[in-house]
Amino acid sequence: KNQVEQSPQSLIILEGKNCTLQCNYTVSPFSNLRWYKQDTGRGPVSLTIMTFSENTKSNGRYTATLDADTKQSSLHITASQLSDSASYICVVSAKAGGGNKLTFGTGTQLKVEL
Amino acid sequence: DAGVIQSPRHEVTEMGQEVTLRCKPISGHNSLFWYRQTMMRGLELLIYFNNNVPIDDSGMPEDRFSAKMPNASFSTLKIQPSEPRDSAVYFCASSRYDRGLGTEAFFGQGTRLTVV
Repeated sequence: KNQVEQSPQSLIILEGKNCTLQCNYTVSPFSNLRWYKQDTGRGPVSLTIMTFSENTKSNGRYTATLDADTKQSSLHITASQLSDSASYICVVSAKAGGGNKLTFGTGTQLKVEL
Repeated sequence: DAGVIQSPRHEVTEMGQEVTLRCKPISGHNSLFWYRQTMMRGLELLIYFNNNVPIDDSGMPEDRFSAKMPNASFSTLKIQPSEPRDSAVYFCASSRYDRGLGTEAFFGQGTRLTVV
């Protein structure tokens, strides 16, 4: 069964600090992995997308890593800001039926405080 | 493009009533997904269409739920009869399969459903 597990479930950090969110998955056949940011009351928005051959990708202060051998990914946020407070969801895509099927993690709820 | 458009944004209905949620995907996208999100269970895939054809509906919780995609620009998710435990935010997402990048899914703003 395809599964995506994220940790920690929730996290509180001070503004300006760095943090790392983890994602472990058992999805096959693997197509790609993306991290989404979901602000309260809004739909998820994509931060990064990585295919099998990529092991790191950055988007501003967000840097995602992928280890396809161990089936692990991380999202590192540098110099956190109050606006980073959101739910961060790891999504793994598997090839299915001529397209792709997405499996979502339950997310990490991040709160950045002054 | 206006993105994925869902309607209504909010729906409050009485238990037992029929509820229909609507979605207009991004033009040119060939995959459409319906998701349900709750605090307890996070995002759950309900059903997935590719080129208007349902590919995987294993996430549809019960026969009370049904989804259709009569054409490439419109999909509905219907709950009949609705129950309080169906209360959640329902998201529609669409994507265009790219062999190089895989799928980039874009989400609508969601429909917040409350069944009382």
